[in-house]
Amino acid sequence: NAGVTQTPKFRVLKTGQSMTLLCAQDMNHEYMYWYRQDPGMGLRLIHYSVGEGTTAKGEVPDGYNVSRLKKQNFLLGLESAAPSQTSVYFCASSYVPNTEAFFGQGTRLTVV
Amino acid sequence: EDKVVQSPLSLVVHEGDTVTLNCSYEVTNFRSLLWYKQEKKAPTFLFMLTSSGIEKKSGRLSSILDKKELFSILNITATQTGDSAVYLCAVAPGTGANSKLTFGKGITLSVRP
Repeated sequence: NAGVTQTPKFRVLKTGQSMTLLCAQDMNHEYMYWYRQDPGMGLRLIHYSVGEGTTAKGEVPDGYNVSRLKKQNFLLGLESAAPSQTSVYFCASSYVPNTEAFFGQGTRLTVV
Repeated sequence: EDKVVQSPLSLVVHEGDTVTLNCSYEVTNFRSLLWYKQEKKAPTFLFMLTSSGIEKKSGRLSSILDKKELFSILNITATQTGDSAVYLCAVAPGTGANSKLTFGKGITLSVRP
């Protein structure tokens, strides 16, 4: 039972490069979320989705885009990476909104 | 704007001690409060609280919610080194599909042998 899987687990980017983080869940959850976690800042919501084909902005959406073309996948894109986007990124999913959410193992991204 | 404040930000205890972790909140149209434990990687779910005064318990961990005073506590008795982690509190507002969790900054607990 895989749960929530994030790829890649680590990545180093140069400023200005682009990349996509993939989140996949096998629990048939409608709701999916992307968070970033920085020291002393807790988890901050970037974007979320309430179902296939829908996305919405969270607390810190600038510099990121997302897509939910399939129910099981939620992609997070960085079009032009900046050092301020150095962080650990977590994907999560839940069956109904704001109940127990299941988290992926995280992606550590460094932008140099 | 919804707000979650956890305290203390960090603490160090010895094995066998009892600890109390605090979470206070301000949220529009409160729905639930959740506690997570985060070790090296993904946060893992501990409790979800929706009603005041009803204690949730799992082994040595317990939690309770006070909706009048807008706070929750997480108690850990007879602490073990395996309890060392960051403990996250989150609140969920409203009942709409677009309502979303707001997390506190977390409490770093270190349990020394």
